[in-house]
Amino acid sequence: GESVGLHLPTLSVQEGDNSIINCAYSNSASDYFIWYKQESGKGPQFIIDIRSNMDKRQGQRVTVLLNKTVKHLSLQIAATQPGDSAVYFCAENQAGTALIFGKGTTLSVSS
Amino acid sequence: NAGVMQNPRHLVRRRGQEARLRCSPMKGHSHVYWYRQLPEEGLKFMVYLQKENIIDESGMPKERFSAEFPKEGPSILRIQQVVRGDSAAYFCASSPPHGAPQETQYFGPGTRLLVL
Repeated sequence: GESVGLHLPTLSVQEGDNSIINCAYSNSASDYFIWYKQESGKGPQFIIDIRSNMDKRQGQRVTVLLNKTVKHLSLQIAATQPGDSAVYFCAENQAGTALIFGKGTTLSVSS
Repeated sequence: NAGVMQNPRHLVRRRGQEARLRCSPMKGHSHVYWYRQLPEEGLKFMVYLQKENIIDESGMPKERFSAEFPKEGPSILRIQQVVRGDSAAYFCASSPPHGAPQETQYFGPGTRLLVL
């Protein structure tokens, strides 16, 4: 079964706000996590990743936080823009092979 | 620098026909993964291949589905005798040869299969 899931199926924010998308995973042996963005009709696009030996990793306007104690992963998007509207998936990688995806959170950004 | 390429982008088949989906990995990538996505759901792993080898097919249905990644040419996902339940988006991902414990998988645009 799935070992990665997301807390909320949808999230609506105003342009310029910060967005936080959450994800819970169940397998404490997972040691690699990725956030993907999927726009309608397209394939998942890599956003940012984090390995289990880190708690935080920052990219351009995005930050991923990993809390191994409670098996929680979050994606923070600063100054959210309409172009950020998409479905966001977290995924975990076990043993370097198959990615296990959660069901996704749909982010809607209104201007 | 082309990304992962998939074709066709859309494929319509009648029940009982065969579907062939193609995937060309990114340049320098030797690992290919196939995933299936049903509407409103996340991606589900199907199979992982390297050149001429199937490494993990634990997510592949036991019947009617097969995959290959020949020495030359793209990876092929083949679905024989398609049924309506096969209608889905099929995504291919590729990654470079494994050096670090994990390597990021980069996805293609997908093939949307519709079975009538």
